[in-house]
Amino acid sequence: DVKVTQSSRYLVKRTGEKVFLECVQDMDHENMFWYRQDPGLGLRLIYFSYDVKMKEKGDIPEGYSVSREKKERFSLILESASTNQTSMYLCASSATGQGAYEQYFGPGTRLTVT
Amino acid sequence: AQSVAQPEDQVNVAEGNPLTVKCTYSVSGNPYLFWYVQYPNRGLQFLLKYITGDNLVKGSYGFEAEFNKSQTSFHLKKPSALVSDSALYFCAVSSPYTGRRALTFGSGTRLQVQP
Repeated sequence: DVKVTQSSRYLVKRTGEKVFLECVQDMDHENMFWYRQDPGLGLRLIYFSYDVKMKEKGDIPEGYSVSREKKERFSLILESASTNQTSMYLCASSATGQGAYEQYFGPGTRLTVT
Repeated sequence: AQSVAQPEDQVNVAEGNPLTVKCTYSVSGNPYLFWYVQYPNRGLQFLLKYITGDNLVKGSYGFEAEFNKSQTSFHLKKPSALVSDSALYFCAVSSPYTGRRALTFGSGTRLQVQP
């Protein structure tokens, strides 16, 4: 089974702090994604990566950056956390190839910025 | 730009009755369509997908979905609902402009199955 793990289930940070969210997948997937989930808005794509050191902006990249130094690990960075970044953050991974494309999700990190 | 609409915030159904969760999409090119389910305080679990071929696709836990190109819809169905099906359901479409990698999700529909 595909396993996607996230470093924390719950996180509380103060405004202005630098925040790191870590995600690791164990299935050698090429693609990794960061979403935020807010009630009534569904999931919105922040960034994704299709290879080591490669990244592309999603729909809401402002205030975020990412890092992918190893294939299995994808980090989301909040350079200076703000209260409007309080949300559930979901990491996902997927393979590339015929008939694939479904994404496998981690359990999520609920981040509260006070 | 692609988009997904789930017109119902919540669907209520009695246990044993058939259920339908609606989804319509807008995307240029041929869509890849997905359904996911989210149980409380959990990540999303993949249910089923349509890539090509038969318009009726079957997935996990007895769910199925029907792709209708003319109506640009991909409704999720189950013949007989269980209380344990109560969860949040998301429809998603993949964009041909990102090499089929990134997904665009709908806002979600909460399914409540009453005993």
